Amino acid sequence: GNSVTQMEGPVTLSEEAFLTINCTYTATGYPSLFWYVQYPGEGLQLLLKATKADDKGSNKGFEATYRKETTSFHLEKGSVQVSDSAVYFCALPKGDDKIIFGKGTRLHILP
Amino acid sequence: EAGVAQSPRYKIIEKRQSVAFWCNPISGHATLYWYQQILGQGPKLLIQFQNNGVVDDSQLPKDRFSAERLKGVDSTLKIQPAKLEDSAVYLCASSLGSGGAYPQYFGPGTRLTVL
Repeated sequence: GNSVTQMEGPVTLSEEAFLTINCTYTATGYPSLFWYVQYPGEGLQLLLKATKADDKGSNKGFEATYRKETTSFHLEKGSVQVSDSAVYFCALPKGDDKIIFGKGTRLHILP
Repeated sequence: EAGVAQSPRYKIIEKRQSVAFWCNPISGHATLYWYQQILGQGPKLLIQFQNNGVVDDSQLPKDRFSAERLKGVDSTLKIQPAKLEDSAVYLCASSLGSGGAYPQYFGPGTRLTVL
């Protein structure tokens, strides 16, 4: 069945550093792929998505490219800010009506 | 547009007590989900409703957990009796439809502590 694996945290970076959070998936076919973000004290929010191979999702300076060759959907940002401190979840559909989430990667950005 | 509302935000109870959580989804969203998020883990789906019908409750511990969505709008999730391992954040989410084509919108969650 479909599954997703993401790098364990926490990840601690200084402000303006380059960010990569790795995510790899196992899936039948080519499902949509998602990154969700959970800011402290809040629920999850959809950050970006890609619906087919080679698509690039982007939002708030974050990007992720759907790479079928490496079954990856790594999250990147060129220059992180303190306000990006949150937990990031990679996710993909399972079956026709569910989404499954990775374990989450906590990101700390130091000023 | 109002988001998904949940209450209470925090609840502390002793084991063997009962507790109920409430969720009001985004207006017009047919699909409603309850997730359990244990500290350090991703959300785990407990139950999924399509309108007022249950689509999937395979991960719901039915000996102690119950949920309903009367009239296909608001939903309540109940735990009776609670165990220590039920300590978690309970997230409600809604979407226009089900599956990967429809993003899920999450509420802020209810943090449950069982002592």
